[in-house]
Amino acid sequence: DAGVIQSPRHEVTEMGQEVTLRCKPISGHDYLFWYRQTMMRGLELLIYFNNNVPIDDSGMPEDRFSAKMPNASFSTLKIQPSEPRDSAVYFCASSLIIAEQYFGPGTRLTVT
Amino acid sequence: AQSVTQPDIHITVSEGASLELRCNYSYGATPYLFWYVQSPGQGLQLLLKYFSGDTLVQGIKGFEAEFKRSQSSFNLRKPSVHWSDAAEYFCAVGARDDYKLSFGAGTTVTVRA
Repeated sequence: DAGVIQSPRHEVTEMGQEVTLRCKPISGHDYLFWYRQTMMRGLELLIYFNNNVPIDDSGMPEDRFSAKMPNASFSTLKIQPSEPRDSAVYFCASSLIIAEQYFGPGTRLTVT
Repeated sequence: AQSVTQPDIHITVSEGASLELRCNYSYGATPYLFWYVQSPGQGLQLLLKYFSGDTLVQGIKGFEAEFKRSQSSFNLRKPSVHWSDAAEYFCAVGARDDYKLSFGAGTTVTVRA
């Protein structure tokens, strides 16, 4: 298996622009998680899905962030409009067995 | 809600020496426990996990961890460190009825020649 796939690996954008991060989970995994990692706050869970349905989005910072999972093999995390404080590494992870998560390589987002 | 504390922010160890990373958790029942490793610029890789049974668990790359209920700890060990073990290590705890994980702040390991 190719593991969790994320794209792009690096994204540099200007403040106010829309950013879309993409994730393909491991085939057969029915849970998908989006995390944000920063030096100040560490690893934060933003949202997670089960069978394409959002279960808990309490970690989403504000309305500028949205996530979708239109099918079992694809999810997006969108930031609109982006701000410099959104600069971070965003990870996607997927899970089949309870609590055992497999992480993608991450997307490093820089907002100038 | 569960939580994790990793008391050591940074550890430096000589190549060939032993390594122990501390992890303490807070949870009302027996949790699921994990150690992940993150190399620079990479995602988190699962090293090992504890669900139940034998409290000493073996993982990949020669790592092991021991679950001690009385101390609410799940410390990670390696008998002989290699330069490639330089990375950041995260302890995580999960509840038995929840797919979410709570991560510690991480411990950065530096290996000196």
